[in-house]
Amino acid sequence: AQSVTQLDSQVPVFEEAPVELRCNYSSSVSVYLFWYVQYPNQGLQLLLKYLSGSTLVKGINGFEAEFNKSQTSFHLRKPSVHISDTAEYFCAVSVGAGGYQKVTFGIGTKLQVIP
Amino acid sequence: EAQVTQNPRYLITVTGKKLTVTCSQNMNHEYMSWYRQDPGLGLRQIYYSMNVEVTDKGDVPEGYKVSRKEKRNFPLILESPSPNQTSLYFCASSLFSGDGYTFGSGTRLTVV
Repeated sequence: AQSVTQLDSQVPVFEEAPVELRCNYSSSVSVYLFWYVQYPNQGLQLLLKYLSGSTLVKGINGFEAEFNKSQTSFHLRKPSVHISDTAEYFCAVSVGAGGYQKVTFGIGTKLQVIP
Repeated sequence: EAQVTQNPRYLITVTGKKLTVTCSQNMNHEYMSWYRQDPGLGLRQIYYSMNVEVTDKGDVPEGYKVSRKEKRNFPLILESPSPNQTSLYFCASSLFSGDGYTFGSGTRLTVV
């Protein structure tokens, strides 16, 4: 069975500083990978996804992530954060079996941007 | 606007009183899923559906039922709610199984 580990439960960072949110997964087969963002009192919104192809994936709001198969990682980065990026971020992995792709979410990382 | 609509947003109910949380999507997605979100546990899948009349259990299905009679609707039914079902519930849909989800805004359920 697949699993997702988000290594940091909370990440404080100053405004305009770079940030990296870490995500590692375990799976013995090919995976699809996702990052979602959840603003307070809202549902989750897809930031970016890796299905195949280039390992560097660009998403919305200036975020990007890099798929590293050898390290089984999919870390999320942004070169300069804004106050509005304060939210909770979820990494997710999707693994296929018989036509059904099971999606497993990490427990989330709270990003706090400090003015 | 492409969206997943859940109702109600907030619900307080008493133990044992049957309730239904509705979910509807307007994107003609085949795949729909219900999750519950609890502090420290992330999102856990309750049920999913790969198409009309095709549903299956997720990781935490006990105490819940679903149906998929139409492609756009995927209601979550709690026949006899208990306090341990107090949670934040999300409905989500995707074009195909394994693609990124579009999530609803959530339903915060409190069972007293």
